[in-house]
Amino acid sequence: DTAVSQTPKYLVTQMGNDKSIKCEQNLGHDTMYWYKQDSKKFLKIMFSYNNKELIINETVPNRFSPKSPDKAHLNLHINSLELGDSAVYFCASSQVTWTGELFFGEGSRLTVL
Amino acid sequence: GIQVEQSPPDLILQEGANSTLRCNFSDSVNNLQWFHQNPWGQLINLFYIPSGTKQNGRLSATTVATERYSLLYISSSQTTDSGVYFCAVGRDFGNEKLTFGTGTRL
Repeated sequence: DTAVSQTPKYLVTQMGNDKSIKCEQNLGHDTMYWYKQDSKKFLKIMFSYNNKELIINETVPNRFSPKSPDKAHLNLHINSLELGDSAVYFCASSQVTWTGELFFGEGSRLTVL
Repeated sequence: GIQVEQSPPDLILQEGANSTLRCNFSDSVNNLQWFHQNPWGQLINLFYIPSGTKQNGRLSATTVATERYSLLYISSSQTTDSGVYFCAVGRDFGNEKLTFGTGTRL
């Protein structure tokens, strides 16, 4: 069983479209995160949720909207996609916010044409 | 926020060689982790090591928190060790996020 799983792994879409990425963790962790990895491999936190509540929202355009229906799931919806949104998006989880080990999903590569 | 520097940025090794990767950070931390991103893009947690030394097979890590650095040792390197190694640090108070270094590409 994959501990942190994301779907889809690849998305190719046109500018202006809306897309969603889903994430699920079966580790029983309380906190989940979305990270963005750009073309230079730099990893940057976007959002953090603790037990379904948003606790960190970095400077991210409001076209990005996370949703956590329960503490095992954290989805990312992106409206009006732009070329600069092309990146790999990683979901991650940890037992406690910012404390302890961080476990990543396999990543979702988004390409906006 | 905390600054994290990793060195060297790039490293080329012959199979069987040993190497040391370094992570320097600008402030005291109580959370430090090493990750390996393999050529397929997967990010694997190697060590959670805010202080002390740990070993896992051919890999070991040492963090000297008082001197603000951590080292990752790879012995008898193999082709499967290729990828990017990231160090991430944080402080466990408030909402201070985990900060990633820019990585060492091996």
